[in-house]
Amino acid sequence: GENVEQHPSTLSVQEGDSAVIKCTYSDSASNYFPWYKQELGKRPQLIIDIRSNVGEKKDQRIAVTLNKTAKHFSLHITETQPEDSAVYFCASNSGYALNFGKGTSLLVTP
Amino acid sequence: NAGVTQTPKFQVLKTGQSMTLQCAQDMNHNSMYWYRQDPGMGLRLIYYSASEGTTDKGEVPNGYNVSRLNKREFSLRLESAAPSQTSVYFCASSEWGADEQYFGPGTRLTVT
Repeated sequence: GENVEQHPSTLSVQEGDSAVIKCTYSDSASNYFPWYKQELGKRPQLIIDIRSNVGEKKDQRIAVTLNKTAKHFSLHITETQPEDSAVYFCASNSGYALNFGKGTSLLVTP
Repeated sequence: NAGVTQTPKFQVLKTGQSMTLQCAQDMNHNSMYWYRQDPGMGLRLIYYSASEGTTDKGEVPNGYNVSRLNKREFSLRLESAAPSQTSVYFCASSEWGADEQYFGPGTRLTVT
């Protein structure tokens, strides 16, 4: 089935630095790529998504880039803050289903 | 709007017992999903229902059954629980497949 690989599995940055998380996917028919944030003990929540007809999307400090040829997409968080500390999941669609990466635990230290 | 609700929040079962996890959404969404989340494994799809009246297997369906009772409700049944089914279970819904999925609060299940 569809495979989504996510790197790194853990990431520690200082407050104010940027963080980048990368994902690759295998299904060339995938056309929807969301990113979810999950705080400890909470449910995953969508923070940004991108569709295959665009290469980049920004929302304040968060941006996502997509390279369909190479089948990879990335999450960029600028000016990180302690409240950005959480687990981040990328996903890509395969028909009606989403396939998730295994997550990146981001720690932002003051 | 309550969004996606799940019951129960916590459950402890003995091996071989059965139980049903309930999920309901009030957003008039067409698609609903059941995931399990284990440490270091991300979210793995158990079953999904693309629309009312249909269900399909996901990545890890063995040991589970589902029922799409109506457009609002999608239940997950464990017929004979095993320790390997100890996990956090999330229900989710979306308007259609390739759309934002809204997650419920989760059910933490322990099988002893």
